[in-house]
Amino acid sequence: ETGVTQTPRHLVMGMTNKKSLKCEQHLGHNAMYWYKQSAKKPLELMFVYSLEERVENNSVPSRFSPECPNSSHLFLHLHTLQPEDSALYLCASSLGGGADTGELFFGEGSRLTVL
Amino acid sequence: GESVGLHLPTLSVQEGDNSIINCAYSNSASDYFIWYKQESGKGPQFIIDIRSNMDKRQGQRVTVLLNKTVKHLSLQIAATQPGDSAVYFCAEKPSGTYKYIFGTGTRLKVLA
Repeated sequence: ETGVTQTPRHLVMGMTNKKSLKCEQHLGHNAMYWYKQSAKKPLELMFVYSLEERVENNSVPSRFSPECPNSSHLFLHLHTLQPEDSALYLCASSLGGGADTGELFFGEGSRLTVL
Repeated sequence: GESVGLHLPTLSVQEGDNSIINCAYSNSASDYFIWYKQESGKGPQFIIDIRSNMDKRQGQRVTVLLNKTVKHLSLQIAATQPGDSAVYFCAEKPSGTYKYIFGTGTRLKVLA
């Protein structure tokens, strides 16, 4: 079992739907991340939480709303998305808690399709 | 702006040969560099990392070289195997941030 688990693995939603992506890490890490992976583009950092506080301000549309209830869980709430939001959403964790966060451990991703 | 670029989008290598994947970075403040491998339908998987106080680091069949003078990073894979076929990403992380910056990736194809 991977140290970082994402659910669902696949999601199809309409533009008016509300859905959530879930991420759980079993590594005892303090930092968790959401990345967006689109075809032929570098991974784009969306959100970072360290010790349950949001750090690193990235410009992300408000239709994406993160939630980090504790250091093991991270959610991405989705509302009124656009077709161009279709992508692979990757959750990651790192040791965190300071500047030297070490490597990122990724989950398998949630493949999102917006119709 | 900040960028991490890859010189070749696709690299084809004969099985058993050595592979070299290159990467350029632009942020002088980056002090930590990582190579990831991503197979189809899976998340990126850590291969090897290197800190800016080193020039070279070796793992099992892999070596990472860092040239800070020209801001260049490379991944060498010895005796490339079919299981090495994947997309490889380099990433840099500026000191004091959580902001890992990724390149677009190089697809490695291993020919039998």
